[in-house]
Amino acid sequence: GAGVSQSPSNKVTEKGKDVELRCDPISGHTALYWYRQSLGQGLEFLIYFQGNSAPDKSGLPSDRFSAERTGGSVSTLTIQRTQQEDSAVYLCATSRGQGRGQTGNIQYFGAGTRLSVL
Amino acid sequence: RKEVEQDPGPFNVPEGATVAFNCTYSNSASQSFFWYRQDCRKEPKLLMSVYSSGNEDGRFTAQLNRASQYISLLIRDSKLSDSATYLCVVNKGSNDYKLSFGAGTTVTVRA
Repeated sequence: GAGVSQSPSNKVTEKGKDVELRCDPISGHTALYWYRQSLGQGLEFLIYFQGNSAPDKSGLPSDRFSAERTGGSVSTLTIQRTQQEDSAVYLCATSRGQGRGQTGNIQYFGAGTRLSVL
Repeated sequence: RKEVEQDPGPFNVPEGATVAFNCTYSNSASQSFFWYRQDCRKEPKLLMSVYSSGNEDGRFTAQLNRASQYISLLIRDSKLSDSATYLCVVNKGSNDYKLSFGAGTTVTVRA
């Protein structure tokens, strides 16, 4: 499809296990963002990629969280030794990230991965 | 101070009513402004960009006041389908693609 694709859509895991969440961006979008949203809460920024590099990782809550992006395309968010407080919806968004002007900044979101840590 | 602040609401309005709400932003260098809509348990979706001169898209009107650093959204002739959370979104600087999202204003339109 033409939109941002995230997988899996739902993930149930046991406390202490590692999980990997995947994001396939819109073709040609150089900027990619990960957010977390807990039930009834706003979006919490996690990390921003421009191409393969991550100029801003300031939102990652702990060293259990990491993310990478390869080939300027697919990104993976990894959570190690999951805890119950990690339960949330993890949203990926991408934008053209090129040139000036508002249109390059518009972020398009995937449907998210709903993570439940038991 | 939060980068983007919104009145969480909820705004409960009857069908056909007009509802309006604002958000304020802290970074005077911000250049890009948007309203996103988020339905319950769904991802945010762009509603409209906000331009300096103000802009309209059907029943929705957005205004930007740079001097006071606020953005407004007005919804005319509200429909049941307008019930959602509206997120105010601002970029962090003149050439920064990172967006700051407000926590959202909830609007509920009742029959």
